[in-house]
Amino acid sequence: AAGVIQSPRHLIKEKRETATLKCYPIPRHDTVYWYQQGPGQDPQFLISFYEKMQSDKGSIPDRFSAQQFSDYHSELNMSSLELGDSALYFCASSLRVTYEQYFGPGTRLTVT
Amino acid sequence: AQTVTQSQPEMSVQEAETVTLSCTYDTSESDYYLFWYKQPPSRQMILVIRQEAYKQQNATENRFSVNFQKAAKSFSLKISDSQLGDAAMYFCAYSHGNNRLAFGKGNQVVVIP
Repeated sequence: AAGVIQSPRHLIKEKRETATLKCYPIPRHDTVYWYQQGPGQDPQFLISFYEKMQSDKGSIPDRFSAQQFSDYHSELNMSSLELGDSALYFCASSLRVTYEQYFGPGTRLTVT
Repeated sequence: AQTVTQSQPEMSVQEAETVTLSCTYDTSESDYYLFWYKQPPSRQMILVIRQEAYKQQNATENRFSVNFQKAAKSFSLKISDSQLGDAAMYFCAYSHGNNRLAFGKGNQVVVIP
């Protein structure tokens, strides 16, 4: 079965640079979520989209923005990167009526 | 805000034995969903099992089963016949409707051959 695809899988950036993470949800899934998992931490919700509209917003810094496109893929844009942004970023998708969120493999972002 | 609590940061179990992970949560909602996710060393988040709050019957998926006590706001996971591949971090998670997941801090499961 098709899974959530995330790219890139690994990303190394310097402080103050910009990063763009991409997510391709499971086909026919209508909701996309972004989570951030710091070292030794549980995943923290950032933002979600339902049918290309922002549906919920969590503890996402103002330096971050996200959107969902007409083909349902989503991008998380991160500017003015800080050392503390180093983390594993997950995208998850779900079909609204089932409530089950399926996670992608994650993008490991390292800020130096 | 909903909170999810997992105690016992690390649990050890002999291969083929049974281990139970505890989870409690706090919510004022009556309709919600509970999940257990597994995160092996690869860091992939894998959905293990889910429970709808309106269902009294405990969910079961092969060797994984839950004990859902709604009044006590308790949601434990039992892993039977433990296998080496079960070694991972297990996160308990809560959601209300199709909203964000709130995770506990996780339980590390170590399987001893």
